[in-house]
Formats: sequence, structure tokens, C-alpha cells
Amino acid sequence: EAQVTQNPRYLITVTGKKLTVTCSQNMNHEYMSWYRQDPGLGLRQIYYSMNVEVTDKGDVPEGYKVSRKEKRNFPLILESPSPNQTSLYFCASSSSGTGVEQFFGPGTRLTVL
Amino acid sequence: KQEVTQIPAALSVPEGENLVLNCSFTDSAIYNLQWFRQDPGKGLTSLLLIQSSQREQTSGRLNASLDKSSGRSTLYIAASQPGDSATYLCAVRYFKTIFGAGTRLFVKA
Repeated sequence: EAQVTQNPRYLITVTGKKLTVTCSQNMNHEYMSWYRQDPGLGLRQIYYSMNVEVTDKGDVPEGYKVSRKEKRNFPLILESPSPNQTSLYFCASSSSGTGVEQFFGPGTRLTVL
Repeated sequence: KQEVTQIPAALSVPEGENLVLNCSFTDSAIYNLQWFRQDPGKGLTSLLLIQSSQREQTSGRLNASLDKSSGRSTLYIAASQPGDSATYLCAVRYFKTIFGAGTRLFVKA
């Protein structure tokens, strides 16, 4: 089944403890992206990757890191999480970075205490 | 800077009614516009994708239109059902993707 998977689905952590949220797609897509969703602010793009080793900032990249060493994986790294990074995170992928449909993962609910 | 606005923010209609959700964007230099549905606490389900060169797309009871020159898209839902109750999001894509805040739809049985 074609899908985007994220792990973990739920995570509660404490301020300053480094964490990684994994994202994997099995559709051989070139483009992958991370979003966060917050009440009243909607979905905002954090980082995106047009292909392996090519990443760029979205609208809210501060406090996050990403890497794209393999086509199928695009992990989101929070080096020193803070409470304002408590959010619902979505990973997405598409076959290219332009005029095609994006497919979204199920989401990761992160709470930083 | 691209901005995406969805009106109305919330809508309550009786079952069977036809309805229109609106999405407007400020910069017409987009690759495509995608409509999504999101149920409470759930992920995003893609409904329709309109390429920048297209005027509309249809899927079942859903019809989405795009007027790039005026920066507008509409999602038309025919014969609404209680199962259509959800938040509907539009997203415009250039090299980034910008989402609207969504329209929360409630269809009363």
C-alpha cells in the first residue's frame, strides 16, 4: 500500500531533550515536506526537500533541523525542544516539487513540557 | 508573500443542501491548488487537485474551480450529508505550500 508513515504517533517529552520524528514514504517520491498544525494558526510548512541532499526552509524553520540522505526518509530533528514546539506535525510527499498531489502522513502529536 | 484565506470560517447547513466553500490567495504564481478534508484529530485526506492551467476538477459530489487571475478557488459540495462534516482546507503550492485556516463544516441530519 502506498503510504507516508510517521513515528512516533504520540510523544511527550521535556524541554531540551533532543528528539527525532521519522517520516518514510514508499512511493519513490522526490519531494518531501514537514508541517506543523496549531489551533488558530493552521498548517505551516517547516522544511521541504526537493530531492536527496536538497532541503530548504519553509515558513517556520526555527528550532528544527532536517536531513535527506535517502529518498524514502525525511526525519525531523528537534535539537532542544521547547514548549512552543508542542504541536501536531505532518509529513508529506509528492512525486515532484511542482504540479502534483501531496500525500500526507497520519501526524505526530508532540507535547513538550 | 503568499497569503491564503478561507471564507467562511465555519458553516452549518441542513442535510441535502448544496454549498460553496471559498479560498482566495494573493499571488497568482502557483503550480496548483489542492483541497483537503480533515476530521477532528485526524490527518489530511486529499479531495481534489487543480493544476494552475486547469479551471476545474470534479470528483463525485465535489467540484473545485480555480480562477488564477483573480486568486480564487471554490469547492462546491452537492447534496451535503452528515458524513461531510469536517474541516476543509485549501493549499496553494509554488516552491512552498501555504494553507488556508480552513472552513469547519457541520451538516445537520
